[in-house]
Amino acid sequence: DGGITQSPKYLFRKEGQNVTLSCEQNLNHDAMYWYRQDPGQGLRLIYYSQIVNDFQKGDIAEGYSVSREKKESFPLTVTSAQKNPTAFYLCASSPIAGDYNEQFFGPGTRLTVL
Amino acid sequence: RKEVEQDPGPFNVPEGATVAFNCTYSNSASQSFFWYRQDCRKEPKLLMSVYSSGNEDGRFTAQLNRASQYISLLIRDSKLSDSATYLCVVNRRSGGYQKVTFGTGTKLQVIP
Repeated sequence: DGGITQSPKYLFRKEGQNVTLSCEQNLNHDAMYWYRQDPGQGLRLIYYSQIVNDFQKGDIAEGYSVSREKKESFPLTVTSAQKNPTAFYLCASSPIAGDYNEQFFGPGTRLTVL
Repeated sequence: RKEVEQDPGPFNVPEGATVAFNCTYSNSASQSFFWYRQDCRKEPKLLMSVYSSGNEDGRFTAQLNRASQYISLLIRDSKLSDSATYLCVVNRRSGGYQKVTFGTGTKLQVIP
């Protein structure tokens, strides 16, 4: 089955530790995205990438880093510089060609920093 | 002003009712539009794209008004299973990249 996987589903970390969230897709999509969602709020874009080895900052990139070494993978690192990292993190992918590029989401990772 | 705005609700409606949500966008260069559905503590899932001519999928109808810069979603004959948060999404090209903006969502609660 084609889709997007994120792991782990729940993640607990101590304050001051870096943590990397995994996102893999087998949809052959060019574009991949990371969002953060806080309780009762909408999705905010952290980073996105439209081709391998290229990525762009979104609206709230501070304290996060990404890499795009393979088309299928777009891991997100939450660094100790992120002041309030506890949130629901969603990865998405979409094809690029054409205007109507719907995004497909993974199941998300709930990160709790203790 | 936010690029995409939605009434957060909640909209509490009885089963069988018709309910409509609007979403306004500020950038006239916006090119494509979507409605997503998000259940509590789950990922968003595409409900429907919104085309200029309007489109319908069963009980759901989406409309786009470019002149007034808003999109709408109409749900007829509401079911309990329609209870969710509905997210408006707007795409546009910016500097060679596609910029995707989500609204904060409108919460719908269908009550028996």
